[in-house]
Amino acid sequence: DAGVIQSPRHEVTEMGQEVTLRCKPISGHNSLFWYRQTMMRGLELLIYFNNNVPIDDSGMPEDRFSAKMPNASFSTLKIQPSEPRDSAVYFCASSLYPGNNNQPQHFGDGTRLSIL
Amino acid sequence: GDSVTQMEGPVTLSEEAFLTINCTYTATGYPSLFWYVQYPGEGLQLLLKATKADDKGSNKGFEATYRKETTSFHLEKGSVQVSDSAVYFCALRYSSASKIIFGSGTRLSIRP
Repeated sequence: DAGVIQSPRHEVTEMGQEVTLRCKPISGHNSLFWYRQTMMRGLELLIYFNNNVPIDDSGMPEDRFSAKMPNASFSTLKIQPSEPRDSAVYFCASSLYPGNNNQPQHFGDGTRLSIL
Repeated sequence: GDSVTQMEGPVTLSEEAFLTINCTYTATGYPSLFWYVQYPGEGLQLLLKATKADDKGSNKGFEATYRKETTSFHLEKGSVQVSDSAVYFCALRYSSASKIIFGSGTRLSIRP
C-alpha cells in the first residue's frame, strides 16, 4: 500500500519567494496533519483537517502560512513570502477518524525546506 | 491540559546494553499511548501502542507497559543494536480526537 506521499523532498529557495508543499494522504484516511520539525522547537503541529475541513490551525505561526485541502486526496501548505526562519522539515501525516483510539498517524518522509 | 514528558537526550549506549527511555503523561481521561520512532532522514513511524491500563505494547524487541497508577509508558529493550539509533517519541491520543499529543523526543545513539 502506498503511504503518505509528500513533494518535493527538498526545496531550496530565496527569501521572499512563495513555497508550496504538497501531500497525498493514504487512501481512505480522512484526517490530515501538517507538522514542522526543527532542532530548536522540535515537532510542532501546524494545522489539521477532518474530512477536508480545517479543525485547528492554532499552530500556524503567521499569516504567511496557509493550508488547503480541496479534496480527500490532496493538501497543500503554502508560505508566502518565505523567510529564512521558515527553514525546517515539514511533515504531513494522515489517519482514520474517528475509528478507534488506537489509530496511529502515518507520516510521510517530509519536505526539507531551506530558505536562503 | 494533556501533555507528554520524556527524558531528555541524547542517550548514548553501547551495543547490547539495556535501554530505558522514560515517558510520563498528564491526561484528564483514558487515552491510548504510543511510541513512535524516527530514523535519520525519515518521517515518524509507529513502533508500538497500548490502549488501556496494564496493556503491554511490543515490537522489534521493544516493550512498553501502560501504567495508570504512575501515569507512565516507559520504553525498554533488553539488548540494543546500532540500527536502533534514532529519535523516539512518546505520544497519547483520545478516541474523541484525531489529534495526537507528542513528547519532545529522545535521541538515542548506539556505539558499536
